[in-house]
Amino acid sequence: QSALTQPASVSGSPGQSITISCTGTSSDVGGYNYVSWYQQYPGKAPKLMIYDVSNRPSGVSNRFSGSKSGNTASLTISGLQAEDEADYYCSSYTSSSTWVFGGGTKLTVL
Amino acid sequence: EVQLVQSGAEVKKPGESLKISCKGSGYSFTSYWIGWVRQMPGKGLEYMGIIYPGDSDTRYSPSFRGQVTISADKSISTAYLQWSSLKASDTAMYYCARGMVTYYSGMDVWGQGTTVTVSS
Repeated sequence: QSALTQPASVSGSPGQSITISCTGTSSDVGGYNYVSWYQQYPGKAPKLMIYDVSNRPSGVSNRFSGSKSGNTASLTISGLQAEDEADYYCSSYTSSSTWVFGGGTKLTVL
Repeated sequence: EVQLVQSGAEVKKPGESLKISCKGSGYSFTSYWIGWVRQMPGKGLEYMGIIYPGDSDTRYSPSFRGQVTISADKSISTAYLQWSSLKASDTAMYYCARGMVTYYSGMDVWGQGTTVTVSS
């Protein structure tokens, strides 16, 4: 199965909002409400930021939010902070009973 | 504290076998799926497969089926990822991660990663 499609990079200034898109197919993103988002700093393990499209695990800032429309999911970060600069990956459950990740998006805080 | 602790870095030659581990603690190991994720140098995350330690039900991503073996020993709360014959292209960081209660929702606890280097 093919990786989900994410933009390679996005950027924003402190205080602004940014949105990262994640496009799949009806066999993954569009077929299930099981999209998750992960934040990864260089040299560190990924961290779950959003699950089930729009739910935040305990301890994750409410500046992070998720949504989905059709085959495209989105992660929005509001009130951008320097510490948000990291790589972000989306993931979706698939009709093959497995998961698939997106290619990742590098967020730069200007 | 819920945590997954992975075995240390490995340096191997092509053709050699390898088994890396992921030990869970702080929760009921047999009640949550454990997945394995590959990250090649400078690249993104790739889902490899997942196992339910309670009954060893295992599912592989099509890209990794037949290339690796995922197993678990519930008596010692440990999951494994193994290769029978390594290739240079297996050089990567490997993470284990715990599936959420509804495992398809995502992976909420991650190990620190195991670096595997395959070089002649």
